[in-house]
Amino acid sequence: LAKTTQPISMDSYEGQEVNITCSHNNIATNDYITWYQQFPSQGPRFIIQGYKTKVTNEVASLFIPADRKSSTLSLPRVSLSDTAVYYCLVGVGNQGGKLIFGQGTELSVKP
Amino acid sequence: EAGVAQSPRYKIIEKRQSVAFWCNPISGHATLYWYQQILGQGPKLLIQFQNNGVVDDSQLPKDRFSAERLKGVDSTLKIQPAKLEDSAVYLCASSLGGGERYEQYFGPGTRLTVT
Repeated sequence: LAKTTQPISMDSYEGQEVNITCSHNNIATNDYITWYQQFPSQGPRFIIQGYKTKVTNEVASLFIPADRKSSTLSLPRVSLSDTAVYYCLVGVGNQGGKLIFGQGTELSVKP
Repeated sequence: EAGVAQSPRYKIIEKRQSVAFWCNPISGHATLYWYQQILGQGPKLLIQFQNNGVVDDSQLPKDRFSAERLKGVDSTLKIQPAKLEDSAVYLCASSLGGGERYEQYFGPGTRLTVT
């Protein structure tokens, strides 16, 4: 079962680029890497998913090195509304897709 | 497109009482999940349904928790009797399929306080 490790908290300022790195040393060959965002009093929301190299959507980019033992979520030009908890998940693809949420990274964006 | 609906949003009960939560997933989503989120922690999967069958309930405390998904649509999660440590937010999520590749859509959750 792949376990993920990410910083508990990060601080940033509006307009900066934020990079949150997650380590998953025991990732399996068929595992994907998924990031979710959670605002207070709301359920988590899907941000991005990738398998290798780089994935980009309208919200974020996900960088995955060749060994796939880590991944970096990049949020360009953050705003106050990006203040949330960000979860890195590695799915257990051969067990029905069960996702295991860790503690997440609490990102605080300041003006 | 309507999202995942949950009710009630808040519930306060005394220990040893029973409580039930309701979830209506996004139309057409075959997979439904119930998570428990304790303050300061990430969500923990309690049970996963594929249509009306249980795929994974390995972390469901079966001596007090039960869940059902009749007709493969709505679902209810019940706790009987409740303990103080059951105080948490109970999140329902749904997805088109049951693999990790499928995006999970979460409802707003039900905040349970057991006194």
